[in-house]
Amino acid sequence: SYELTQPPSVSVSPGQTASITCSGDKLGDKYVCWYQQRPGQSPVLVIHQDAKRPSGIPERFSGSNSGNTATLTISGTQAMDEADYYCQAWDSSTAQFGGGTKLTVL
Amino acid sequence: QVQLQESGPGLVKPSETLSLTCTVSGGSISTFHWSWIRQPPGKGLEWIGYIYYSGSANYNPSLKSRVTILVDTSKNQFSLNLSSVTAADTAVYYCARAIYGSGTTYFDYWGQGILVTVSS
Repeated sequence: SYELTQPPSVSVSPGQTASITCSGDKLGDKYVCWYQQRPGQSPVLVIHQDAKRPSGIPERFSGSNSGNTATLTISGTQAMDEADYYCQAWDSSTAQFGGGTKLTVL
Repeated sequence: QVQLQESGPGLVKPSETLSLTCTVSGGSISTFHWSWIRQPPGKGLEWIGYIYYSGSANYNPSLKSRVTILVDTSKNQFSLNLSSVTAADTAVYYCARAIYGSGTTYFDYWGQGILVTVSS
């Protein structure tokens, strides 16, 4: 099956930029989306089709995808952005999720 | 605003069948694809499968032999059956709306999730 690899954890200071990567073979040829999951809550879609923000998602969330790596970027990170983030792609009629990245804002 | 709500037993015995229902409100189920996704405690997300309102379904190959997803348009509900469960099937089960398109599928509305524990 197709594998997506994320770093287990990323740390960022408040107000700084956080970058979370997602790697997979020729991932740039596929669409990638990103979900935010705060503790005890359901995932929330923050980016779809590589770089599109759903209604209600702050502009500080952005995405890119090229080559073998997709990146979720959070500009001006706030304490409320501390959460787990999952990338997801569609391959061979199957949805694949990355293992998740815990973003710590400290 | 579309809302999804999972329901079903929170405890299932090993070797039995896990059965859950997702009720959709705020919109008709007779559009879009509808999906089940699970998350073992402390672990990541795993896609189980999806169904279209017509009844056409697609499953994760790793679970395909044990999974059935059905839709009931008259009740605006869809359901999950997972047979021959083991402790490894203990997870929070989410239902979600799937946006299915050319080269992409993503999940834009999620239920609150239901914890199902497999134990005797």
